[in-house]
Amino acid sequence: AAGVIQSPRHLIKEKRETATLKCYPIPRHDTVYWYQQGPGQDPQFLISFYEKMQSDKGSIPDRFSAQQFSDYHSELNMSSLELGDSALYFCASSLAGAEETQYFGPGTRLLVL
Amino acid sequence: QQQVKQSPQSLIVQKGGISIINCAYENTAFDYFPWYQQFPGKGPALLIAIRPDVSEKKEGRFTISFNKSAKQFSLHIMDSQPGDSATYFCAASLASGSARQLTFGSGTQLTVLP
Repeated sequence: AAGVIQSPRHLIKEKRETATLKCYPIPRHDTVYWYQQGPGQDPQFLISFYEKMQSDKGSIPDRFSAQQFSDYHSELNMSSLELGDSALYFCASSLAGAEETQYFGPGTRLLVL
Repeated sequence: QQQVKQSPQSLIVQKGGISIINCAYENTAFDYFPWYQQFPGKGPALLIAIRPDVSEKKEGRFTISFNKSAKQFSLHIMDSQPGDSATYFCAASLASGSARQLTFGSGTQLTVLP
C-alpha cells in the first residue's frame, strides 16, 4: 500500500539559510500534519491542513510557513535556520471521516550547521 | 507542561515477558488515545488505539487498558519479542475542526532481551 512520501530524506543547511521540506500524502488523504521531533524527544505538532486550508497551528515558529497544494501535497518552508531547528520533521496524513488515524512518513532529517 | 505523561522512560524485558507502559493525561476533552511504535530513523507507526468509552482493547499481543476516572491508560505487550524493541509513544487527541493534532507522551524505549 502507498505510504506518505517525504523529500528530501536528509538535508544539511547552514545557519540563516532556507529549507523546503515536501510531503506527499497517501492517495485520497486530504489532511496533512507536520511534526518536529528533536533528538530523544517526542514529536511536537507544528501545523495541519485540510483541503488546502490551514486547520490548526501548534508550536510553529514565525520563521516557518507551510501550505497545501491542489494535489494535496504540502511544503514546509523554513527560513533563517537556527542550530536548534536540527530535528526530524515528520509529515502525517489522514482521511476526512477518519481523522484519528494519522499515517506518518519516514521523516526528513534536517541538520543545521 | 507535558499534557500526556508517560512512564517508564526505558524498559528492559526478557523475551516472552510482559511489557507495560503507562500514560496519564490532564485534558478531559481528549477523546482518542493511540499508541505509536517507532524504530530508529523511521516515522511513528500506529499500533493500537482506544476511545474513552471502552475500558480495554486487544489486538494480538497488544492490549490497551483505559481508566477514564483516573485519566490513565496503559499498553501491555504480551509475550514480548526482540523485534518489539523500539520506542513507544502514547498520544492523545481531540477534534479541532477538520483535523486532529496529536499530543505525544515523552516515549518509552523498550528493549526485549533474547
